[in-house]
Amino acid sequence: DAKTTQPTSMDCAEGRAANLPCNHSTISGNEYVYWYRQIHSQGPQYIIHGLKNNETNEMASLIITEDRKSSTLILPHATLRDTAVYYCIVRGLGGSQGNLIFGKGTKLSVKP
Amino acid sequence: DSGVTQTPKHLITATGQRVTLRCSPRSGDLSVYWYQQSLDQGLQFLIQYYNGEERAKGNILERFSAQQFPDLHSELNLSSLELGDSALYFCATSGLSHTDTQYFGPGTRLTVL
Repeated sequence: DAKTTQPTSMDCAEGRAANLPCNHSTISGNEYVYWYRQIHSQGPQYIIHGLKNNETNEMASLIITEDRKSSTLILPHATLRDTAVYYCIVRGLGGSQGNLIFGKGTKLSVKP
Repeated sequence: DSGVTQTPKHLITATGQRVTLRCSPRSGDLSVYWYQQSLDQGLQFLIQYYNGEERAKGNILERFSAQQFPDLHSELNLSSLELGDSALYFCATSGLSHTDTQYFGPGTRLTVL
């Protein structure tokens, strides 16, 4: 079972920041938080990941709370092409923990 | 474009048949993961290979098998196909470390009639 809880759906206005929350209250100290998105039926696309510190790349920012029990993915200026299902995944190290366990994700709809 | 390629894009076959799906990894990636996405089950991990050897197994049926070849491409074999095997099949590949990020291919859509 997925170790994360995400809202089923969210709306965001085009050009505004999209903030997608994720709860992972049972995360272990050596587990990473990964974010992927899937546009329609395309292959999941890697967005960002982090362990403890906040992370930023060209696509998004990841804010992880100090207790690591929750995180927020921020798309700073959402566009219509960001409409997708966003998956927050807690990933362990090595062996069978290395694979990704996908939950149902958050369906983000960016509206004009 | 993730750099991971999968063939074919679409496959339509009949129940009882056998098919082979192919995945070519990004240059330098040693790990290959296979995932199945059906409407009712979501994305599920099937199996992982690392440098030619099986590393981890998920919810993979006995009718399904996989292998990774010396050139690191991988094949997923599905036999005695049933209607319920209709799904999207994705492979993902990653580098040397088991903590390396997985990059997904575009998938193969299998339809069993």
